[in-house]
Amino acid sequence: GAGVSQSPSNKVTEKGKDVELRCDPISGHTALYWYRQSLGQGLEFLIYFQGNSAPDKSGLPSDRFSAERTGGSVSTLTIQRTQQEDSAVYLCASSFYPGRGTNEQFFGPGTRLTVL
Amino acid sequence: KNQVEQSPQSLIILEGKNCTLQCNYTVSPFSNLRWYKQDTGRGPVSLTIMTFSENTKSNGRYTATLDADTKQSSLHITASQLSDSASYICVVRHGGSQGNLIFGKGTKLSVKP
Repeated sequence: GAGVSQSPSNKVTEKGKDVELRCDPISGHTALYWYRQSLGQGLEFLIYFQGNSAPDKSGLPSDRFSAERTGGSVSTLTIQRTQQEDSAVYLCASSFYPGRGTNEQFFGPGTRLTVL
Repeated sequence: KNQVEQSPQSLIILEGKNCTLQCNYTVSPFSNLRWYKQDTGRGPVSLTIMTFSENTKSNGRYTATLDADTKQSSLHITASQLSDSASYICVVRHGGSQGNLIFGKGTKLSVKP
């Protein structure tokens, strides 16, 4: 596709349920990132994938959060046993390798998660 | 602690007016600084990137400045348009081997007719 796509655009769930958020990066981008944007807060880094390397999970806030990237392309962020404080916009971004330096990260539109 | 602080938190201006947004950072070592524009309900889009040796860079009506000595950057918007209404986010890349990005909380700009 032309840009990073994310689905669903909105997700409302009940506390305690599991959710899966999907990200389709730009074709050819080997680096993929997940961020969380809470109301009035800056973007919070969650996890980073680069090619076949082990992901950088240093930003995941708890073991309820996990992510995988299959075939070096599509990624899924899973939140288990959701809590109200998980409510936020979850943004995915991708970039060319190495994903550092001046390489620009291109962001998707985000998934707005609301936990009731 | 590596931090990025933006001011003001929000700003309302009339269409056609100019404005300047500020970004102060304590990130060290420094690699580069980007300004992003984030429209409501959309992901951030890069406006400009500044590296250590660059003082000024323009992108249409947007002009970014960087003072690496004082660790300050500004984004000046000239002749504002209604479509400039958005959040503007300052992002600094750490110069270490991991190259982490540190995000400011953004300035919410509203341009009124």
